[in-house]
Amino acid sequence: DAGVTQSPTHLIKTRGQQVTLRCSPKSGHDTVSWYQQALGQGPQFIFQYYEEEERQRGNFPDRFSGHQFPNYSSELNVNALLLGDSALYLCASSRALEQYFGPGTRLTVT
Amino acid sequence: QKEVEQDPGPLSVPEGAIVSLNCTYSNSAFQYFMWYRQYSRKGPELLMYTYSSGNKEDGRFTAQVDKSSKYISLFIRDSQPSDSATYLCAMSAPRDDKIIFGKGTRLHILP
Repeated sequence: DAGVTQSPTHLIKTRGQQVTLRCSPKSGHDTVSWYQQALGQGPQFIFQYYEEEERQRGNFPDRFSGHQFPNYSSELNVNALLLGDSALYLCASSRALEQYFGPGTRLTVT
Repeated sequence: QKEVEQDPGPLSVPEGAIVSLNCTYSNSAFQYFMWYRQYSRKGPELLMYTYSSGNKEDGRFTAQVDKSSKYISLFIRDSQPSDSATYLCAMSAPRDDKIIFGKGTRLHILP
């Protein structure tokens, strides 16, 4: 049984560009959450998707947007990248309360 | 005051020792408590999940929750070098989908 998968593994972008990150949830999970983890910090909640709708959002600007597809996979889009967006982006999937994380996408903005 | 406080360490202990990791929190609405382990450049791995005060044991790991003191702990018995990682405490409230994490404690088990 494959766990949560994310792509790509690493990404380097220039300030002002746009990026799309992808996540496939664990089999049987219907809910996907996205988190941003800066170096030396704990993950911070960006938003959660359930039934293809954003169910809850953390304290992140509108430059961060997402989507969930009918097969429960999800995308995170970030527009107008800033240097401060450099971080590990984590996807977590769940069916009930327990959230299981993928390996993350490391985004570097130069 | 941050919602969740966790000493970032690093914490170095000899192999075989008992490790104690702790977090405090300020939001009395938190009812669900988790410990995640994160190896360098990897995603967090769920170790323990509990929703009540008291102890929960799983192998070498014991999670302890004291809601009256707003204090949670993770104990690791017979620590191994492979336990060297960052340990993140996390918690959430009922009907709230987001998990709030501590900063993580870096643990080094010395052979």
